[in-house]
Amino acid sequence: GNSVTQMEGPVTLSEEAFLTINCTYTATGYPSLFWYVQYPGEGLQLLLKATKADDKGSNKGFEATYRKETTSFHLEKGSVQVSDSAVYFCALSLRGNMLTFGGGTRLMVKP
Amino acid sequence: NAGVMQNPRHLVRRRGQEARLRCSPMKGHSHVYWYRQLPEEGLKFMVYLQKENIIDESGMPKERFSAEFPKEGPSILRIQQVVRGDSAAYFCASSSQGFSQETQYFGPGTRLLVL
Repeated sequence: GNSVTQMEGPVTLSEEAFLTINCTYTATGYPSLFWYVQYPGEGLQLLLKATKADDKGSNKGFEATYRKETTSFHLEKGSVQVSDSAVYFCALSLRGNMLTFGGGTRLMVKP
Repeated sequence: NAGVMQNPRHLVRRRGQEARLRCSPMKGHSHVYWYRQLPEEGLKFMVYLQKENIIDESGMPKERFSAEFPKEGPSILRIQQVVRGDSAAYFCASSSQGFSQETQYFGPGTRLLVL
């Protein structure tokens, strides 16, 4: 079956540090890949996505590249801010469009 | 353009009662998905519906849970005879065409607490 594995948190960084959250997937086929962010008490918001191999999704300084050879979609940001503190979910979508999520990674950014 | 609406935002039920969760998709969207998030876990797919049709309910528990998306009105997730293990956040998402590369837009969720 399809699955997504992402690094466990919490990840604690100082402001302006470099961020990497690892995400790997297993899928029967060629999925679309997504990163969603969840702020406390809220629903999920799409952060970025990539729909085919070698595509790079980017938004608000975050980026991730769809790597078919390593089945990965790692999230990166060059300089995090306190306001980036949230839970980040990697997800894939295949036939039927239901999303399969990773377990989430909590990011805490300290001033 | 209003986003995905869910109500209630918080719902408290005693064991054995029924819970009804409502979801109004974004305007122009006819595909609705329900997900459940248990405490400190990721989201798990439950059911995918189009107007008047259940497309995929492979993630739905076989008993006590049902979902509908009528021609008029919101989608409803219904949980009968709730148990403590049903306590979770339930999120609804919608999309316009149901393609795998489409973005799903999420509502704020309903947080169900079973006492």
